Amino acid sequence: GDSVTQTEGQVTVSESKSLIINCTYSATSIAYPNLFWYVRYPGEGLQLLLKVITAGQKGSSRGFEATYNKETTSFHLQKASVQESDSAVYYCALTDVGDNSKLIWGLGTSLVVNP
Amino acid sequence: GPKVLQIPSHQIIDMGQMVTLNCDPVSNHLYFYWYKQILGQQMEFLVNFYNGKVMEKSKLFKDQFSVERPDGSYFTLKIQPTALEDSAVYFCASSQTGVISNERLFFGHGTKLSVL
Repeated sequence: GDSVTQTEGQVTVSESKSLIINCTYSATSIAYPNLFWYVRYPGEGLQLLLKVITAGQKGSSRGFEATYNKETTSFHLQKASVQESDSAVYYCALTDVGDNSKLIWGLGTSLVVNP
Repeated sequence: GPKVLQIPSHQIIDMGQMVTLNCDPVSNHLYFYWYKQILGQQMEFLVNFYNGKVMEKSKLFKDQFSVERPDGSYFTLKIQPTALEDSAVYFCASSQTGVISNERLFFGHGTKLSVL
């Protein structure tokens, strides 16, 4: 079936260090999956961080980047230097092209950035 | 930025009772969604709604579930009667143009429903 896997429930990083949050996907019934990263900051609702709809492309926002890798079926989230304000829960998700309603979600990864 | 409001943030009810979860979507949005997240599991799509009608629903959207947006006010999810397995956090979302584009969804904070 179609699914998204985030292997880390929590990641702890010191401020100014680099970050990678892993995301892999399986899209057996979706020919052209679109990939998303959503983020939930403390006390706020989920919000879109970035999306990539074409394999091989990279999306970026607020210093975060993710590359849609069809060969490895991965969409890892990276940032070169994190800040304490990046502490949040990050969700990887996928959906079918042109259909953003039935998002398929990962479990989420809680990022804790220590000062 | 635009916000989706969900009221209340937590609701506790006895099994078999009816519950209505309220969502105040972004004012000019036309498409509305409910997602369900059981503790420790992924968030899952329940239903989407446009122009007064359910467009699509998942297998999680049981017969006991219904949605409506009377008079363009709150978008509601009603569960009648509730069951223990309905305990979860329910997230409402809205978007302007809906499923034919890759427009972003705006989410509420969620309502935690505890069925005892």
